[in-house]
Amino acid sequence: KAGVTQTPRYLIKTRGQQVTLSCSPISGHRSVSWYQQTPGQGLQFLFEYFSETQRNKGNFPGRFSGRQFSNSRSEMNVSTLELGDSALYLCASSPGLTSNYEQYFGPGTRLTVT
Amino acid sequence: AQTVTQSQPEMSVQEAETVTLSCTYDTSENNYYLFWYKQPPSRQMILVIRQEAYKQQNATENRFSVNFQKAAKSFSLKISDSQLGDTAMYFCAFINAGNNRKLIWGLGTSLAVNP
Repeated sequence: KAGVTQTPRYLIKTRGQQVTLSCSPISGHRSVSWYQQTPGQGLQFLFEYFSETQRNKGNFPGRFSGRQFSNSRSEMNVSTLELGDSALYLCASSPGLTSNYEQYFGPGTRLTVT
Repeated sequence: AQTVTQSQPEMSVQEAETVTLSCTYDTSENNYYLFWYKQPPSRQMILVIRQEAYKQQNATENRFSVNFQKAAKSFSLKISDSQLGDTAMYFCAFINAGNNRKLIWGLGTSLAVNP
């Protein structure tokens, strides 16, 4: 099976702009989670989508949002970008069933806000 | 509070030797899952090993094994016969069981395998 893919891999944006990141999970996986990784805060959970519904949400401002499509692909959007949003954004794919909690990660999108 | 503590920010080991990475965690839940992930310089996060909290037997995956002490909330990773390709950041993480995929992460241990 193909792994988790994320596009784009690198992105440079200016403060105040908005950005959309995309994630395609492993075929058959229904859960997609998003994480932000920074040197100072480490890895932090943003949100999880399962069958097109947001199932869990982390402690991030409303500028961070996401959605999931019927084919399980997910997008996350960050509006009104701030310098502190510069980070590696990781997407993780999981079957989503209570019998399997393993998450498989994509290569990440490196976002730089200037 | 649900937290993961990795007390060793950096470690090094000689090729072919054994190294143990420490991890302690805190959760009030009884049913949870523990993981070790590896992130090499490529930044690709790779699942190394997992442990179900309800299982007493320690998980093993080839050269990787864990020492799971539930009462002490300790979950250490042992890497045997270290290889140069094991050089990476290693993250300890857990998930509480249920309709939840929120991984709680430690800050990581940077492991360098020296030739």
